[in-house]
Amino acid sequence: DTAVSQTPKYLVTQMGNDKSIKCEQNLGHDTMYWYKQDSKKFLKIMFSYNNKELIINETVPNRFSPKSPDKAHLNLHINSLELGDSAVYFCASSQVNSVADTQYFGPGTRLTVL
Amino acid sequence: AQSVTQLDSQVPVFEEAPVELRCNYSSSVSVYLFWYVQYPNQGLQLLLKYLSGSTLVKGINGFEAEFNKSQTSFHLRKPSVHISDTAEYFCAVRGHNNAGNMLTFGGGTRLMVKP
Repeated sequence: DTAVSQTPKYLVTQMGNDKSIKCEQNLGHDTMYWYKQDSKKFLKIMFSYNNKELIINETVPNRFSPKSPDKAHLNLHINSLELGDSAVYFCASSQVNSVADTQYFGPGTRLTVL
Repeated sequence: AQSVTQLDSQVPVFEEAPVELRCNYSSSVSVYLFWYVQYPNQGLQLLLKYLSGSTLVKGINGFEAEFNKSQTSFHLRKPSVHISDTAEYFCAVRGHNNAGNMLTFGGGTRLMVKP
């Protein structure tokens, strides 16, 4: 009964490829997020998405695109992978209300670009 | 916009000793504050959060944090650590009415508890 799940857990691929990471949450939350954690453990928000709007961190290259088939899923598509994309990607979800919501994180997907 | 600074990248401490992990932030608006813990090869888990009210916040696993508005700090403390507390700890902030409800994280502090 994992709250936020991601697949795959590990992803190794060549430069130039296109890949996707899937995220699912069973908490009934209305907002989902993608974060990138680099090799120095620094965490940075990439996207915030609910059924009304997508908020993009301006530093994220347009090779990255989130796709949400339904409220419980937010997949991350990455085109033309580069070496610098190697990182751990975390999905999170929350129920946004008038008071600060708690974000629940998935276990992460370690992406290695060769 | 907000930024978060965790002054110590690593904190070694002996088991049963007290520990304080420091977090300072900057923001032009009022903020909500969070501490998350990341155990090896796992995702992040919320330890505690400050929304409003009492500046001393108690969380899980015996951790607590105190919000100090004048010093723009939110240091995390535990009076007696265990080996199992060895992990990476992240301080995070979110501005009130932040578009997208996105968190800004500090660089993390690795707590290393020695026997």
